[in-house]
Amino acid sequence: AQSVTQLDSHVSVSEGTPVLLRCNYSSSYSPSLFWYVQHPNKGLQLLLKYTSAATLVKGINGFEAEFKKSETSFHLTKPSAHMSDAAEYFCVVSEHFGNEKLTFGTGTRLTIIP
Amino acid sequence: DAGITQSPRHKVTETGTPVTLRCHQTENHRYMYWYRQDPGHGLRLIHYSYGVKDTDKGEVSDGYSVSRSKTEDFLLTLESATSSQTSVYFCAISEFAVGSGSDRGSYNEQFFGPGTRLTVL
Repeated sequence: AQSVTQLDSHVSVSEGTPVLLRCNYSSSYSPSLFWYVQHPNKGLQLLLKYTSAATLVKGINGFEAEFKKSETSFHLTKPSAHMSDAAEYFCVVSEHFGNEKLTFGTGTRLTIIP
Repeated sequence: DAGITQSPRHKVTETGTPVTLRCHQTENHRYMYWYRQDPGHGLRLIHYSYGVKDTDKGEVSDGYSVSRSKTEDFLLTLESATSSQTSVYFCAISEFAVGSGSDRGSYNEQFFGPGTRLTVL
């Protein structure tokens, strides 16, 4: 069975400072991992994905995430926050080879302080 | 953006009435999904489809049924709506992809529709 835990329900950072959104996962198999972003009253957009190749994954809008198997983590980072980054972020896990289902974390709301 | 539309986008209905939500895609993707989004729960899978007339239950399927008679359409029906089904409903589509080069894994990247906000009074 697969599961994902987002360790913070709400994160606030000042504009121009680094962003760290934490995610831990559990999976019986070699997982795929994703980060999705949802802006207010919008659908979900894929930020980045890990699919068993490079452990450091770069996504859109300057975000990146590092897959650490020993720590079962997939934390999302960005060096410098922008006001437009204010949104809700979801960490998602999917197991390989026939499991079509995604399991979502409960989300982290990111607030950017001007 | 992936070609996914949902209709209606907003609906208010009364307890006990039937409701059908429609998801339409123009991408010819094999897999389609219905999720509900509630505060503190993230997105939870209701039902999904892996082909025309092929569907299966997700983790919160009670009170919901689905149908897929064409590749492009996936319908979600609440036979008798209850207040606990007040939520935002998202449709998603996917096709298994295989990366290349440094990204060699296979993965299920899902693309989401704009959502339907349903209120059951």
